[in-house]
Amino acid sequence: DAEITQSPRHKITETGRQVTLACHQTWNHNNMFWYRQDLGHGLRLIHYSYGVQDTNKGEVSDGYSVSRSNTEDLPLTLESAASSQTSVYFCASSAFRGQGATEAFFGQGTRLTVV
Amino acid sequence: GDSVTQMEGPVTLSEEAFLTINCTYTATGYPSLFWYVQYPGEGLQLLLKATKADDKGSNKGFEATYRKETTSFHLEKGSVQVSDSAVYFCALSTSQTGANNLFFGTGTRLTVIP
Repeated sequence: DAEITQSPRHKITETGRQVTLACHQTWNHNNMFWYRQDLGHGLRLIHYSYGVQDTNKGEVSDGYSVSRSNTEDLPLTLESAASSQTSVYFCASSAFRGQGATEAFFGQGTRLTVV
Repeated sequence: GDSVTQMEGPVTLSEEAFLTINCTYTATGYPSLFWYVQYPGEGLQLLLKATKADDKGSNKGFEATYRKETTSFHLEKGSVQVSDSAVYFCALSTSQTGANNLFFGTGTRLTVIP
């Protein structure tokens, strides 16, 4: 069965360190997204990609970067981790649909703690 | 810009009670509307969707109707169960850029007590 997986599931890191969260999907979806989930804010879009070599900034992109070298993977990098980046991170993917209504499939999430 | 406003939680109901979670939206063009559910420790999964005005999405006893005149997509269930305890997110998707970004509400936590 196709799936979307994130790793690690839990991560503790120190302020200032570079951290990379992995996301791998086997749906062969063009679209991939990274969100962070914080109490009172719901899910906020960090970065997204519409295909290989395409990346775009979302609502809360400062301090984060992504790269898309193949269809399956969209790693999220925190360049210099800060305590404000303590959160639960979700990766999602969806197929391109010109008229909307596409279902997004989510990974299980990565709980990141910056100390 | 596109946005979703969702009923504040948390919501606590007794088993078999009627559930309504309000959701209104602001969007340019003609968005698609979704309800996603997040069970404890899991990612989000699609509960139901509607792609045009007056469409009704339904799944697992939950329903929501796309009301363009009131820009709303309220979630309802006639008789909730303990297993429905979860966080519910309203979301919209537009294809202005052709790739269907999803915009989420803040989520409503539902707890159903026996």
